[in-house]
Amino acid sequence: EVQLVQSGAEVRKPGESLKISCYGSGYSFSTYWIGWVRQVPGKGLEWMGFIYPADSDTRYSPSFQGQATISVDKSITTAYLQLSSLKASDTAMYYCARVPYIVVLSGTINSFFDSWGQGTLVTVSS
Amino acid sequence: ESVLTQSPDTLSLSPGGRATLSCRASQSVRSNYLAWYQQKPGQAPRLLIYGASSRATGIPDRFSGSGSGTDFTLTISGLEPEDFAVYYCQQYGSSPLTFGGGTKVEIK
Repeated sequence: EVQLVQSGAEVRKPGESLKISCYGSGYSFSTYWIGWVRQVPGKGLEWMGFIYPADSDTRYSPSFQGQATISVDKSITTAYLQLSSLKASDTAMYYCARVPYIVVLSGTINSFFDSWGQGTLVTVSS
Repeated sequence: ESVLTQSPDTLSLSPGGRATLSCRASQSVRSNYLAWYQQKPGQAPRLLIYGASSRATGIPDRFSGSGSGTDFTLTISGLEPEDFAVYYCQQYGSSPLTFGGGTKVEIK
């Protein structure tokens, strides 16, 4: 069974940083892209970026380029999302999700998500 | 960026009813690369449909997807109590990936 297990809820002050983890099991971790999706409380879903564990190829949504850093340690089948210089507007649930296969269009990676982590709630408040 | 507009915002139906949810894209979705997800309160989204009409593994056949170009539909035939949730569409025919704003299916 494919499982993605994320680290627990975090509370930070504005200006601080944090790193969320996403542990994958039950499948060949290195050969599936992992994506990150943000959901502001009561709002919709926003794609942040992808990473390919086998070679750490990373793609970002323009909305999150420079605002978030995605990384991976394939030796422990774990992907990470780092957020820096946090603002109150970064308060959200963050999900990792597995990409079953990619569609390459004009050099960009596109896909959907077939398995999701349980989410990590990040609260930024002074 | 392809903007996805879902309608209605809320659908009030009785168990056993038929739900028809719409997702309209601001530009044609290449190769009908459109997915649908279900999200219940406090849970992560769950993939229902990909490629506009292919059901994901384990999804009951009361869920069906259709459409092409800019207009897509998710139909739930014979609503079960566990189907009352928020539904999102997502396009992956162009970058960046985008999601619709969601449709809430609530019990009437």
